[in-house]
Amino acid sequence: AQSVAQPEDQVNVAEGNPLTVKCTYSVSGNPYLFWYVQYPNRGLQFLLKYITGDNLVKGSYGFEAEFNKSQTSFHLKKPSALVSDSALYFCAVRPFMDSNYQLIWGAGTKLIIKP
Amino acid sequence: SQTIHQWPATLVQPVGSPLSLECTVEGTSNPNLYWYRQAAGRGLQLLFYSVGIGQISSEVPQNLSASRPQDRQFILSSKKLLLSDSGFYLCAWSAAPTGSGANVLTFGAGSRLTVL
Repeated sequence: AQSVAQPEDQVNVAEGNPLTVKCTYSVSGNPYLFWYVQYPNRGLQFLLKYITGDNLVKGSYGFEAEFNKSQTSFHLKKPSALVSDSALYFCAVRPFMDSNYQLIWGAGTKLIIKP
Repeated sequence: SQTIHQWPATLVQPVGSPLSLECTVEGTSNPNLYWYRQAAGRGLQLLFYSVGIGQISSEVPQNLSASRPQDRQFILSSKKLLLSDSGFYLCAWSAAPTGSGANVLTFGAGSRLTVL
């Protein structure tokens, strides 16, 4: 079965330190990969996506993600965390040949940035 | 620019009562529309999606239903709510696929439903 794993339920980082939120996937073919962020009691917002090309993708709010095909990973990173980055982060994958264009979602990782 | 509206934002309903959540999209035509449920502030569960007026696909069997009476209107309904229907409901839209599956989802602000 196709799946997306976010192995960390919660990540704690001190403000100013680099952060990484992990995502691995198991789908057939070459998928499209996405990161979304959800602030408390709000809808999700798109951060970035990987389609093809450069493995390092830059997105909103200073976030970037690195696609690693051999490790089937798409980890979200930021060089210097801000308290305002505290939120719930979702990784999602769309299998390339999925005719319904549906997303497979990870369970989410809660990111807490401490001052 | 495109915007998505979802209401009501908060709803408290007794068990057995009906439900109607509404979602409308502005600034685009023929969007794909989605209803998700998020339980306990975590994982997302796709409930319904629609690629056109009157075309509804259900992902999970349940006592909820969806309708798309107009191109940019998507309604989530129930005739009789259960306790287990409590959760955070999110409407979303994406551009209709034109070969690429890389279209981004844009979400509404969500509707928090509490069934007592």
